[in-house]
Amino acid sequence: EDQVTQSPEALRLQEGESSSLNCSYTVSGLRGLFWYRQDPGKGPEFLFTLYSAGEEKEKERLKATLTKKESFLHITAPKPEDSATYLCAVQAGGSGNTGKLIFGQGTTLQVKP
Amino acid sequence: EAQVTQNPRYLITVTGKKLTVTCSQNMNHEYMSWYRQDPGLGLRQIYYSMNVEVTDKGDVPEGYKVSRKEKRNFPLILESPSPNQTSLYFCASSFTGLGYNEQFFGPGTRLTVL
Repeated sequence: EDQVTQSPEALRLQEGESSSLNCSYTVSGLRGLFWYRQDPGKGPEFLFTLYSAGEEKEKERLKATLTKKESFLHITAPKPEDSATYLCAVQAGGSGNTGKLIFGQGTTLQVKP
Repeated sequence: EAQVTQNPRYLITVTGKKLTVTCSQNMNHEYMSWYRQDPGLGLRQIYYSMNVEVTDKGDVPEGYKVSRKEKRNFPLILESPSPNQTSLYFCASSFTGLGYNEQFFGPGTRLTVL
């Protein structure tokens, strides 16, 4: 069964304290792994797409990496405005269901000044 | 402005009373999808559509219907809502080329079924 697990569920950091969020996945033929940011009361906002092991993407203080079993979202020197819930999703390639996405439960990040 | 709109944003209804949540996008996206978000369960896909007249089930389709008669619209229909369908619902859309899952999400519809 296709599955996505994110850890930790919640993370509290001091401003400037770097850390990483984890997304472990089990899917039949990964077509893509996606990171989203969600602010309270709003819809998710797209951050990154990763397609193959070894791939990395960066945007400001965020860097996403991908291996064959997991992805990490590294946050360098976070600021309070980085506080949000970060969602990981995978698109499985089995059975031609290319439109099916599976989301993890998310990691809620709080960055204190 | 490129956007996904949902209506209504908030809805309180009673068990069994049919309702429709509308979703519209102005970006000419082929792909559209509905999700529900519940505490502790994350985002779960209900239905998706790869293009007009093409729809398929996600992980939790029971109790829901969809249709895609026009490219821009993808309504979610609850024929006989039940309390376990109380949730926050999101519609999303994207292109279907490489990287097509850069989905744009709507603002959400908070549904309460009494």
